Amino acid sequence: EVQLVESGGGLAQPGRSLRLSCVASGFNFDDYAMHWVRQRPGKGLEWVSGITWNSGSVGYADSVKGRFTISRDNTKNSLYLDMNSLRVDDTALYYCVKPLEVWFREGPFDPWGQGTLVTVSS
Amino acid sequence: EIVLTQSPATLSLSPGDRATLSCRASQSIGSDLVWYLQKPGQVPRLLLYDTSKRATGIPARFSGSGSGTDFTLTISSLEPEDFAVYYCQQRRQWPLTFGGGTKVEIK
Repeated sequence: EVQLVESGGGLAQPGRSLRLSCVASGFNFDDYAMHWVRQRPGKGLEWVSGITWNSGSVGYADSVKGRFTISRDNTKNSLYLDMNSLRVDDTALYYCVKPLEVWFREGPFDPWGQGTLVTVSS
Repeated sequence: EIVLTQSPATLSLSPGDRATLSCRASQSIGSDLVWYLQKPGQVPRLLLYDTSKRATGIPARFSGSGSGTDFTLTISSLEPEDFAVYYCQQRRQWPLTFGGGTKVEIK
């Protein structure tokens, strides 16, 4: 069974940093691109960032570019999101997501992790 | 960035009704459109990909059509479990983008 387990969320003050982690199991992690998607409270879905299987290509939403950094460690089956200069509007549930198949670099996403909640507040 | 616009924002229907949801892209995305549904308090679930391919376990009452910039998700006869929020996503290019969602609610 494919599992994606996020961690690292919590309360942070504006301007501070957090690191999110996602541990994957049940599939060949190093074959797949991986992504982060977030959902602000009561709002819709927003793609945050993605990374190819070998970290050769990464992408970011304009809203986080220059502040967030995605990375992965294939030896640990882990995906990361380093979040710097946090803003109040970064408050959201952050999902780790896997493309349905190896060749679907940009989705569709299936499954989704349960998410980790990031709250940015003073 | 490709902007996806979903309409209507809310659809009020009864069980057994036919639901038609729209997703319009700001530029052509071919058939690279995905649909998800999300029930309250739950994680989004994949419904359709490549415009019309149903994900594993998705019943045949869900169908998708369209190409280029205009896409439609149709639910032929609403079941009680179908009342949820539906999102479209384009996987044509980075940055990936989602539509704002359509809430299908019980009338």
